[in-house]
Order: sequence, then C-alpha cells, then structure tokens
Amino acid sequence: GGIITQTPKFLIGQEGQKLTLKCQQNFNHDTMYWYRQDSGKGLRLIYYSITENDLQKGDLSEGYDASREKKSSFSLTVTSAQKNEMAVFLCASSIQGANERLFFGHGTKLSVL
Amino acid sequence: GEQVEQRPPHLSVREGDSAVITCTYTDPNSYYFFWYKQEPGASLQLLMKVFSSTEINEGQGFTVLLNKKDKRLSLNLTAAHPGDSAAYFCADIASSSFSKLVFGQGTSLSVVP
Repeated sequence: GGIITQTPKFLIGQEGQKLTLKCQQNFNHDTMYWYRQDSGKGLRLIYYSITENDLQKGDLSEGYDASREKKSSFSLTVTSAQKNEMAVFLCASSIQGANERLFFGHGTKLSVL
Repeated sequence: GEQVEQRPPHLSVREGDSAVITCTYTDPNSYYFFWYKQEPGASLQLLMKVFSSTEINEGQGFTVLLNKKDKRLSLNLTAAHPGDSAAYFCADIASSSFSKLVFGQGTSLSVVP
C-alpha cells in the first residue's frame, strides 16, 4: 500500500510570515489536493492538481499558492499568515478525479502567533 | 455553488443504540456521494462511496440511505460501539465539477459504554 506524508506535523508562524507545507505520496496518483479543515466548517478545497505542473483553484485559494513540480509532491504556501489563525491543512490524492477514493495525510496543524 | 449541510455537529449515544447523521445537498446533478470517517489522531478514511442510482447501501454495521427527491443522504449506525467514536464527513460531487468534492461540516460522534 501507499502512504501520504505531510510535513511538518505542526507549524507555528508569525503574523505576515510566508509558510510552506509539503506533501508527498507514493501511490503514483495523478490528482492531489489541499484542503483546509476548520472546526464546524468541514473541509474546504484550497487547490488541486490533476497532473504534474497543473494547478487548479478551489473555493478557498485566496491567500495561498501551490506548486506541483513532481507527480509525487504537492506543496502549499500561506502567502501571509493571519494573526491568531489556527487550522489543520490536509493533503489528499486520488487515482484521477475526486469521484475516486481520496487518500488523506494526517495533516499539518498551523498556529499563528 | 454546491452546498452540503450536515447535522448534527455533535452526537452522543450509548453503546448498542443507533446513531443517525444526515446531510442535505443543493445540486440536483450530484451523482457521487461519500462518507469519510476520521478517528482521533488518524487520517480520514473512506467509509462508503454511493452512486446516485442506489438508494440503500449496506456496510458492516451501518446503512447509507440516499433520497434524491429530498436531496438527503444519511448514515445510520446500527448498534453503535465505542470503536465508532469518530468524526464523520459526508461529501458529494456534481457532474459539473469532476474534481471538486464538497464536504459537509462534520459530525463528532461519541459512543459511551
């Protein structure tokens, strides 16, 4: 079986700081996703990528950049961290589209001081 | 865009009782539906994938009902046990958005002995 690895597991940043979250998958899946998980709001799609070097905006893309330089990796950048922001960022992958099963990582928990 | 409303946000039941989580969606073209389970400290795992033509879907210890007329999806846990304690998320895909899963807000289920 495969695995999705997110790094770091915990990320503490300062207001205004640029922060990068990384995700690696060894399923050889085409599509990768970044979701933001907030308590009481479920999961909201930030960016997704259907193949290497492809980027598609989700509903929550403002304030974020993403990069898919290799098929196996997908990174997310918070362009300017907001004070007191706290959320969990989940990376996922699927064979092709989201009508297939998504495999999720364990998440990166972000806290901004 | 598509919206998925999930209720209740928190649910506590006694071991052996049933538990019901319900999602209502807005897009009549939604054609795949999903339930994901997130145990404490673990990543989200697919519980069941449902195609729009199937109204009743049986799993191990649970049933998923789809009412397309009312645009309602429900997860019915029969005889809940402590191992069912987790967060549950429903999600759907509309035919117009191949890679965009829309998630509900999540339900935190606690099964007490």
